[in-house]
Amino acid sequence: KAGVTQTPRYLIKTRGQQVTLSCSPISGHRSVSWYQQTPGQGLQFLFEYFSETQRNKGNFPGRFSGRQFSNSRSEMNVSTLELGDSALYLCASSSAPGPGNTEAFFGQGTRLTVV
Amino acid sequence: SQKIEQNSEALNIQEGKTATLTCNYTNYSPAYLQWYRQDPGRGPVFLLLIRENEKEKRKERLKVTFDTTLKQTLFHITASQPADSATYLCALSNTGNQFYFGTGTSLTVIP
Repeated sequence: KAGVTQTPRYLIKTRGQQVTLSCSPISGHRSVSWYQQTPGQGLQFLFEYFSETQRNKGNFPGRFSGRQFSNSRSEMNVSTLELGDSALYLCASSSAPGPGNTEAFFGQGTRLTVV
Repeated sequence: SQKIEQNSEALNIQEGKTATLTCNYTNYSPAYLQWYRQDPGRGPVFLLLIRENEKEKRKERLKVTFDTTLKQTLFHITASQPADSATYLCALSNTGNQFYFGTGTSLTVIP
């Protein structure tokens, strides 16, 4: 079956702009979680959605938000972009709510560069 | 919050040997520990999950142990192969469902 699909793969934005990233989970998976990966901080948990509800949230400012649709697809939005938001953004899907207590399947990520 | 340390940024071993990667955590004992493999330009791939009441878990050439006294998990790859070369990440979560990742260990298996 198809894996986790993230679009777009690459994105360049200007400081102050906003960006929306998309994640389509594996068919049948209702949990989607988002992560930011940078060389300095590593992989950090942003938030998790299950059945359209945000269940858990990491330690990120309110500029980072997300939502999940009835078909389990999820979007992540970052407003008022800062240079430090440049990172690889990964989403992962799971068959059960988590995160961390069940196997997660990651997408290839969206590489965001803020200039 | 939880702090995780992986033993080294890079580890080189000879093909056929056993690679052992270490992950130490501070503060509370996690409910779950996971190990992932990540190749350059790709998302992490799940390898193993171990629960707090389990001491050891195996899958083919992989083994993970969980020592709550030492606050440590060890990840072993036996009979290592060049194809095992990658970055390995440990991750832990608690029952409150916060999820923390280590910064990773880059493993190189030398033929």
